Amino acid sequence: DTEVTQTPKHLVMGMTNKKSLKCEQHMGHRAMYWYKQKAKKPPELMFVYSYEKLSINESVPSRFSPECPNSSLLNLHLHALQPEDSALYLCASSPAGTGGSKGYTFGSGTRLTVV
Amino acid sequence: GESVGLHLPTLSVQEGDNSIINCAYSNSASDYFIWYKQESGKGPQFIIDIRSNMDKRQGQRVTVLLNKTVKHLSLQIAATQPGDSAVYFCAERGNNAGNMLTFGGGTRLMVKP
Repeated sequence: DTEVTQTPKHLVMGMTNKKSLKCEQHMGHRAMYWYKQKAKKPPELMFVYSYEKLSINESVPSRFSPECPNSSLLNLHLHALQPEDSALYLCASSPAGTGGSKGYTFGSGTRLTVV
Repeated sequence: GESVGLHLPTLSVQEGDNSIINCAYSNSASDYFIWYKQESGKGPQFIIDIRSNMDKRQGQRVTVLLNKTVKHLSLQIAATQPGDSAVYFCAERGNNAGNMLTFGGGTRLMVKP
């Protein structure tokens, strides 16, 4: 299995809702990432997990809460989002450490719309 | 701060021609570079990568060139096909503990039949 699977593919939520985005990979990668991508812009890093521990938080607002329950799963919990948070949320994984090549695999993303 | 950028936001080529997409980077400590292709509604798809100790790498119909002197990266696509139409991003990995990728601004490639 060489894929990163993200669910749901599309999500519409109100500003008072709580929802979660899910990401799963079975490539044995020990680093997982959340990126946010606005239309016509490059992906921007939000969080990095290494060996199931949060290693980087790129000053993301607390209304986004990541969780890594195990080495194959990565969640992003959403609460009290704003319309400007509408974007494509991408999950990626790679071998941990700096030795990996071809190792950054992205999922297809969750298209989030906040109304 | 460090950044990766692209010179051309849109590139239009005739089917069968060769395409060249360029990228400038500013972090001289970056040790690894990747080109991604992103089609509408999809996540970035790996095309080709290159390490900083190389200056050229070839794949199937694609070649990446790295010029560390001027901090320039390019992607060459031979015999461009309609299926190559997409947005192309370069990404660099700084030599940092976080193993993070930083993406450039993206170039849209449009292939005319």
